[in-house]
Amino acid sequence: ETGVTQTPRHLVMGMTNKKSLKCEQHLGHNAMYWYKQSAKKPLELMFVYNFKEQTENNSVPSRFSPECPNSSHLFLHLHTLQPEDSALYLCASSQAGAEGSDTQYFGPGTRLTVL
Amino acid sequence: AQSVTQLGSHVSVSEGALVLLRCNYSSSVPPYLFWYVQYPNQGLQLLLKYTSAATLVKGINGFEAEFKKSETSFHLTKPSAHMSDAAEYFCAVSGRGGANNLFFGTGTRLTVIP
Repeated sequence: ETGVTQTPRHLVMGMTNKKSLKCEQHLGHNAMYWYKQSAKKPLELMFVYNFKEQTENNSVPSRFSPECPNSSHLFLHLHTLQPEDSALYLCASSQAGAEGSDTQYFGPGTRLTVL
Repeated sequence: AQSVTQLGSHVSVSEGALVLLRCNYSSSVPPYLFWYVQYPNQGLQLLLKYTSAATLVKGINGFEAEFKKSETSFHLTKPSAHMSDAAEYFCAVSGRGGANNLFFGTGTRLTVIP
């Protein structure tokens, strides 16, 4: 596989469920990101990891819990979500997270629906 | 702080016509500017980026954008639209000397009329 992959592509869950989103990058990058894309709103940066260390938490509710076990993998653990959390969740990676000119490469996203 | 404003959430052009998608930015430091494209059911793909080398930036698929500091703009253009250009386009900004945190606009959906 090449680029940035995300699984699952679609997820439907109830408010009491616990689920996880997975992201894997095959580009040898050291920085990984989670974004939330909702209709009619700008992409919202949620979390940033550089060399497996979390460097940004953009005031995300604790019902979203990220995990970055190594530079190639990023997870987003979900529990007790709300219907307004329904959105497309995008993962991205870049060479490093310390320079604003680095290109971020995006995965196809996970379409999450919370019932 | 950085932000971008994309004027026009929907733009329609005829096939073969000029494409112009507008982006204005706000940044407290010299900016890096990006245009991404998103096709249905796909993630974002980089079209081009401005990193201060040249103010006219050429990207993939015949797109280009010009950085105009005096107008705080970074509009995206293509001389002749193709049906395959129909997609959503996002402008984004990040700041020099800071972390690689992108701030996106709300997007412009481009429709190409045959």
